[in-house]
Amino acid sequence: GENVEQHPSTLSVQEGDSAVIKCTYSDSASNYFPWYKQELGKGPQLIIDIRSNVGEKKDQRIAVTLNKTAKHFSLHITETQPEDSAVYFCPLPGGGGSARQLTFGSGTQLTVLP
Amino acid sequence: EPEVTQTPSHQVTQMGQEVILRCVPISNHLYFYWYRQILGQKVEFLVSFYNNEISEKSEIFDDQFSVERPDGSNFTLKIRSTKLEDSAMYFCASRDGNQPQHFGDGTRLSIL
Repeated sequence: GENVEQHPSTLSVQEGDSAVIKCTYSDSASNYFPWYKQELGKGPQLIIDIRSNVGEKKDQRIAVTLNKTAKHFSLHITETQPEDSAVYFCPLPGGGGSARQLTFGSGTQLTVLP
Repeated sequence: EPEVTQTPSHQVTQMGQEVILRCVPISNHLYFYWYRQILGQKVEFLVSFYNNEISEKSEIFDDQFSVERPDGSNFTLKIRSTKLEDSAMYFCASRDGNQPQHFGDGTRLSIL
């Protein structure tokens, strides 16, 4: 699978603040970049994704930005709420498209403090 | 919104026994996956399945494991002769065409 580095591994923010998680990848052929959220006791849930032909995508409080030159993409959560507390993953598919198996890293444990 | 459903939510099995984990993928999806997550560790890919055959499998997916789509709605993972180290959360996922994978909430497998 794709080699992905995710930072930070843990992140604590005050409710209402913003959170940013960054993933760096190595394969320049990668063209699909998903973000998954895993709450305790549940499966990973897709929260937002982006394809390489766009640089940014937003869905309410969540946005993803892609920098293909630098080979990194970031998850931005604004106005964080306690229910945003979860582990976030950026599992890139093998082969660059959305078709293949996902390779998960260790994720980022986000804690939103009330 | 359609969901991937997995049963049972928790399975307790004696070591050495066989276990079958069941998944109902989203109805129009054609690609199916199993992943596992040992407590405190990463989610790991096990196997992908398309057109009634395995398309990819990881090193974890050895002869102890098998998958089957016995009918038009279910996708199962069988683990033979279970070992203590098979204890984990097992996630099923499915997707349609060039769309993202959707995961179920998993089956927690406990081997005693």
